[in-house]
Amino acid sequence: DQQVKQNSPSLSVQEGRISILNCDYTNSMFDYFLWYKKYPAEGPTFLISISSIKDKNEDGRFTVFLNKSAKHLSLHIVPSQPGDSAVYFCAASRGRTGANNLFFGTGTRLTVIP
Amino acid sequence: NAGVTQTPKFRVLKTGQSMTLLCAQDMNHEYMYWYRQDPGMGLRLIHYSVGEGTTAKGEVPDGYNVSRLKKQNFLLGLESAAPSQTSVYFCASFRQGRSYEQYFGPGTRLTVT
Repeated sequence: DQQVKQNSPSLSVQEGRISILNCDYTNSMFDYFLWYKKYPAEGPTFLISISSIKDKNEDGRFTVFLNKSAKHLSLHIVPSQPGDSAVYFCAASRGRTGANNLFFGTGTRLTVIP
Repeated sequence: NAGVTQTPKFRVLKTGQSMTLLCAQDMNHEYMYWYRQDPGMGLRLIHYSVGEGTTAKGEVPDGYNVSRLKKQNFLLGLESAAPSQTSVYFCASFRQGRSYEQYFGPGTRLTVT
């Protein structure tokens, strides 16, 4: 049973516009959430994270929003750039030790059109 | 720093053959992980290690064995490969700190025929 879900397999956005990627989770015990970006033939790379004690975290063009009551998080990219074209994975964990497993969503492929 | 490296990058096996995937990290990380990625499934944890000489099962451990004899290396073994093990395998490492950022290798694409 998939505990982290990304229901949109793909998203296309014009360069300069906002990209919004969504993620839902079912396990209310998750308290730490991450977004990873993956280019073809490479491993995922960490993008941004958020703890459950916050509802927003920003890092440059990337902002993650967390709605705990809805068990939903989203990643906003503003402005979108062609280099942002990649697959984005949402992940969640209970706690932040190395022994707390990460659960990944199925990914959303973002295409930014020049 | 090379970060996390994986050997080999590609491999084709026949059903029943065995092989070992090697993961190496040069960041002195305590924790190491093996994931598999299948279409429509996201990344799923196979086994992990919290330190040299330790291993633990993840979400999908059946059919795999692992060893962590040295801190920098984490081996994933398939004793008798099956077509269901056709996948892309990713290794990752992690050091306890302020963020829970796992560093991933480039992946190994394994096909079992």
